[in-house]
Amino acid sequence: AQKVTQAQTEISVVEKEDVTLDCVYETRDTTYYLFWYKQPPSGELVFLIRRNSFDEQNEISGRYSWNFQKSTSSFNFTITASQVVDSAVYFCALSEANQAGTALIFGKGTTLSVSS
Amino acid sequence: DTAVSQTPKYLVTQMGNDKSIKCEQNLGHDTMYWYKQDSKKFLKIMFSYNNKELIINETVPNRFSPKSPDKAHLNLHINSLELGDSAVYFCASSQTRQTMLQFFGPGTRLTVL
Repeated sequence: AQKVTQAQTEISVVEKEDVTLDCVYETRDTTYYLFWYKQPPSGELVFLIRRNSFDEQNEISGRYSWNFQKSTSSFNFTITASQVVDSAVYFCALSEANQAGTALIFGKGTTLSVSS
Repeated sequence: DTAVSQTPKYLVTQMGNDKSIKCEQNLGHDTMYWYKQDSKKFLKIMFSYNNKELIINETVPNRFSPKSPDKAHLNLHINSLELGDSAVYFCASSQTRQTMLQFFGPGTRLTVL
């Protein structure tokens, strides 16, 4: 069965601290995609990154970086020098193609609070 | 221009009523989805349509009926609303049924009193 686990329910940091959000997934497929979405207090879902199962290279985008490790089935997200605007709920998601189509399987989310 | 739009943004209604939420995408995508986000922020797939054909139908009460008049639109009709239906409903679209990247609408917050 497919599953995404975000063990950290809530994290609180002070501005400029680095913070890592953990994501562990389960799948039997060899071909799959992993995602991170951000949901700020305004409520919309903002796409951050997509990574396919064949690409284990880490990725950096500004203050954001992602560490994908198939050996531990993890896809962790690090925010460097956090800012108040980073306060949001962050979702990790897994997508598998099946015969019918594709649906995103979301983790329960991690609420990040960054204080000044 | 809004890629995936939903109307209304907020919907407050009484138990037992019937209501609809509309979704439109102008991306030319073939596949559309409805997700439900409950009060604990948990997001779960409800339905998916590909070119007006239902392809994913998760365990959802029969009171929920999706309708896709064309591939750019996917509406969600809910009969006999219950308190537990209160949630945020997100529409999404993807280029094809195999495309992994989904674009989400702004969400519709449904409150059943």
